Amino acid sequence: DTGVSQNPRHKITKRGQNVTFRCDPISEHNRLYWYRQTLGQGPEFLTYFQNEAQLEKSRLLSDRFSAERPKGSFSTLEIQRTEQGDSAMYLCASSVTIGTSGGPGDTQYFGPGTRLTVL
Amino acid sequence: QKEVEQDPGPLSVPEGAIVSLNCTYSNSAFQYFMWYRQYSRKGPELLMYTYSSGNKEDGRFTAQVDKSSKYISLFIRDSQPSDSATYLCAMYIQGAQKLVFGQGTRLTINP
Repeated sequence: DTGVSQNPRHKITKRGQNVTFRCDPISEHNRLYWYRQTLGQGPEFLTYFQNEAQLEKSRLLSDRFSAERPKGSFSTLEIQRTEQGDSAMYLCASSVTIGTSGGPGDTQYFGPGTRLTVL
Repeated sequence: QKEVEQDPGPLSVPEGAIVSLNCTYSNSAFQYFMWYRQYSRKGPELLMYTYSSGNKEDGRFTAQVDKSSKYISLFIRDSQPSDSATYLCAMYIQGAQKLVFGQGTRLTINP
C-alpha cells in the first residue's frame, strides 16, 4: 500500500500525559500536513511542512503541540500535557508540490487518522 | 461566521435518486475547490477537484462551481448504498496551501 499511513490508529490516554503520533506520507511527496477533526466537523488545518521546513502553523496549534519532520520524510506530532479538549481525530495528508506557490497539482491525500481519546 | 458553510444534514434518499450537496463560502480569493468523501472512522478520500468556475463530470459525479455566487455543488446520479458517507467540501487559495473544509454532510442511501 503506497498511501499515507498513520500510527497508532487509536490512542487512549489520561489527562496530563504526553502523546506522539507518526505520519508516513506517500513516497516522494514533499509536502505534509496535519489537520484535526472533531466529531461532526470538517478537518481543521494545524500545520504543514515542505520537505523538513515547517512553513505555517495555525493558531489552533498551542504551545503544547509540536510537530517535526526531521528528514523530510515521516513526521511526528506531539501533544504535551493532554487535555480533554484535545480528543479528536488527527489527520495527516501529503502532496507533491513544484516550487513554493503551488497550483492545480497540490492534491492532498489523507491518511486514515489517529483517533485520540483523553480521559 | 465560518469561511465555508455546509449543511450537516443528515440527508437520507432512496437508491437511484439524484443527490445534490452544496457549500457556500465567503472568501472570494478561493481558487481551487474539492469534494472529499469520508466513511465512518476513515480519512477523507478525494472525489472531485475543480479550478475556478464551471462544471466537471466524473462518472456518476458532477461538480459545479459558481464563483460569482460563491457556491459549489456536487451531484450524484444513480445513487448507490455504497455512496453512504460524509461528504466534505474543501477549498484553498493558491499559495496558501491549507485546505478550508466545510462541516460535512452525512448522506445515507437507502436500498
